[in-house]
Amino acid sequence: DAKTTQPNSMESNEEEPVHLPCNHSTISGTDYIHWYRQLPSQGPEYVIHGLTSNVNNRMASLAIAEDRKSSTLILHRATLRDAAVYYCILRDGGGGTSYGKLTFGQGTILTVHP
Amino acid sequence: GAVVSQHPSRVICKSGTSVKIECRSLDFQATTMFWYRQFPKKSLMLMATSNEGSKATYEQGVEKDKFLINHASLTLSTLTVTSAHPEDSSFYICSASKAQGLRETQYFGPGTRLLVL
Repeated sequence: DAKTTQPNSMESNEEEPVHLPCNHSTISGTDYIHWYRQLPSQGPEYVIHGLTSNVNNRMASLAIAEDRKSSTLILHRATLRDAAVYYCILRDGGGGTSYGKLTFGQGTILTVHP
Repeated sequence: GAVVSQHPSRVICKSGTSVKIECRSLDFQATTMFWYRQFPKKSLMLMATSNEGSKATYEQGVEKDKFLINHASLTLSTLTVTSAHPEDSSFYICSASKAQGLRETQYFGPGTRLLVL
C-alpha cells in the first residue's frame, strides 16, 4: 500500500487558516488522495478527495502538488469544532486487490486555540 | 454527504457471549461496506471488506470464524463478535461506499464501543 507521512500534531488559532501537509512520494497514477477527520469517540468524517487537480468544497480545499508526491489540506478559517485528528489516505482507484480500501496512518492531531 | 448508522452505539457483555453490531446506509445503497477496529489512542485498522451477497474478505490476522460478517442487503451489514473476550474490547466502526468508480467515497458510521467483562 502506498503510504503517507503527516506531522504528528499541529496547532492553530481560531479563525486563522490552517495548512495540513501530507507527503506521499510513492503514490501511483491510480491513487486518489483522500482526507478524513475524526473527533474523539466518533467515526471518521469525509473531508475531501482529489486525483490531480486542486479541489474545493464547503469544508476545505485540497492543494495537490504537480508531481502528486505531496498535498495540503487547507482549512480557510479554523474553528474550535475543527479540532480533530486529520488523516491523509491514498485510495487505490485502479481496480487491483486493494481497490477501494482505506489504510489509515496515525494522522495529524490538530489543536485549535480560542 | 451520506448517512451511515450503527447499532448499538455501545455494548457491555460478559466474556464468552456473542455480540452483533449493525451497520446501515440510510440514504444510499452500498454494494461494499468495510469494518474497522480502533484501540485507544491508535488508528483505525481495517478488519474486513463486505460485499453484498458474497462472502467477506478478511484482512491478514483477522479470524473470520470469530468476526462473522453478513451483508444481506445493499443497506445493511452486520458484524458478530463470537465468544467475545476482554481483548476484543474496542471501538468498532463501519463504513459504506457510495457510488462506483472514480467518484467512490467511503462514509463512516458513528462507531460501536464494545466492552467485554
